[in-house]
Amino acid sequence: DTAVSQTPKYLVTQMGNDKSIKCEQNLGHDTMYWYKQDSKKFLKIMFSYNNKELIINETVPNRFSPKSPDKAHLNLHINSLELGDSAVYFCASSQGESDTQYFGPGTRLTVL
Amino acid sequence: AQSVTQPDIHITVSEGASLELRCNYSYGATPYLFWYVQSPGQGLQLLLKYFSGDTLVQGIKGFEAEFKRSQSSFNLRKPSVHWSDAAEYFCAVGDNDYKLSFGAGTTVTVRA
Repeated sequence: DTAVSQTPKYLVTQMGNDKSIKCEQNLGHDTMYWYKQDSKKFLKIMFSYNNKELIINETVPNRFSPKSPDKAHLNLHINSLELGDSAVYFCASSQGESDTQYFGPGTRLTVL
Repeated sequence: AQSVTQPDIHITVSEGASLELRCNYSYGATPYLFWYVQSPGQGLQLLLKYFSGDTLVQGIKGFEAEFKRSQSSFNLRKPSVHWSDAAEYFCAVGDNDYKLSFGAGTTVTVRA
C-alpha cells in the first residue's frame, strides 16, 4: 500500500523519442507535483496540480506536458527527449498548499 | 521568493558520534521548514517539519531540529549516528503557495 507510486522506476530511451511517467497517490490528497533532480542532486519543482487544475508551471520547456485525469493521478509526458532531460523525476502529493509533501520513489530517466 | 542554503556539501562522521547539519533559509513570512532524507537510489523521506509552536522539533530515526528565527536557521541534529544514516539530507522551505524550495543537499558519510 505505497502512498505515492511512480512507474516506471527506470526509463532508458533515445533522443527524440516521446515518453511518459505515471504517478498515483492513495493518500486522498488534493495536490500533486512533479520535481526534477539533476545530476548534482538539486531538486526543482516543475509542475503542481490542485484538484486537477494546473497551479504551478515553472519555466519548463513546452516539451513537458503534465496531465491529471483525476485527483489521484498526475502523469508527465515528455516529447522529443533531449540529453539534458536525463534526471530523476519525483512525483509528490500534499493535502494543502503548505502541508507536508510526500514523495514517490522517483523515475530515473536516461536519454542516450 | 524563498531560498535555502545548506553550507556543508559533504560531512563525514564516525559511527556513534553526533551529527549536525546546517540549514539557513530566506523567506519574508513565517516559514514552513522541512528536513528530508534520501538514501542511495531511493525517494525522499520526511524526517521532520516545523510549522509553528515549539521551536525544537522531534522527528523520526532519532533526529531533531531547532528553528531559530533570529538566525534564519533550521539545523538538524542527531546525538549518535548509525551507519544506516549515511544518505543525502535536504532542507526545504515552503510557502503558502504550494512551492517547496530545496537546498542543494548535504551528503553524510558514516565511517566505522
